[in-house]
Amino acid sequence: DQQVKQNSPSLSVQEGRISILNCDYTNSMFDYFLWYKKYPAEGPTFLISISSIKDKNEDGRFTVFLNKSAKHLSLHIVPSQPGDSAVYFCAASAMGNQFYFGTGTSLTVIP
Amino acid sequence: KAGVTQTPRYLIKTRGQQVTLSCSPISGHRSVSWYQQTPGQGLQFLFEYFSETQRNKGNFPGRFSGRQFSNSRSEMNVSTLELGDSALYLCASRSGETTDTQYFGPGTRLTVL
Repeated sequence: DQQVKQNSPSLSVQEGRISILNCDYTNSMFDYFLWYKKYPAEGPTFLISISSIKDKNEDGRFTVFLNKSAKHLSLHIVPSQPGDSAVYFCAASAMGNQFYFGTGTSLTVIP
Repeated sequence: KAGVTQTPRYLIKTRGQQVTLSCSPISGHRSVSWYQQTPGQGLQFLFEYFSETQRNKGNFPGRFSGRQFSNSRSEMNVSTLELGDSALYLCASRSGETTDTQYFGPGTRLTVL
């Protein structure tokens, strides 16, 4: 049972534009959410997190939005750069328990 | 602070053999989790160890086992290897508090022939 879903396997965006990556979850007990970026043959790199008491968290070009009523999470990258091309995973956990990961969205930023 | 380290980085084994992978967490982190990544499958959770005790376990067969030592270093063992075990095995550490971030190592690429 996939508790965290990323329904778009891939996304292409022009350099300088906004990239929006989406994530849906089913478990209303999730209280902590993370986004990771992954290059081939490397481990995922932590990007940004948000706890369920917030609905937005910003760090430089990266902003994560949380809509608890819709059980939806999104990552905005503005402006997108070619170096942002990677696979992005969202993850969620409940009360410090294991993290559940989505299947990833492959982002390509076109120069 | 040094990051999460995993050894070896690459491994080639044949069916039926067993393998042990090692993970050293970030200093001060007491929780270590293991994941398997295969193409198109995302990250599949194997298990988590916290203070030498298995805290959570995913849906993998008993051929996959792990342990954690008093210095928080962890090992994962896979016995009777199958072709389908070929994957990138990732280790992640976190402090172990309720809301904290998990940091990943570079992974061990296991190929089973």
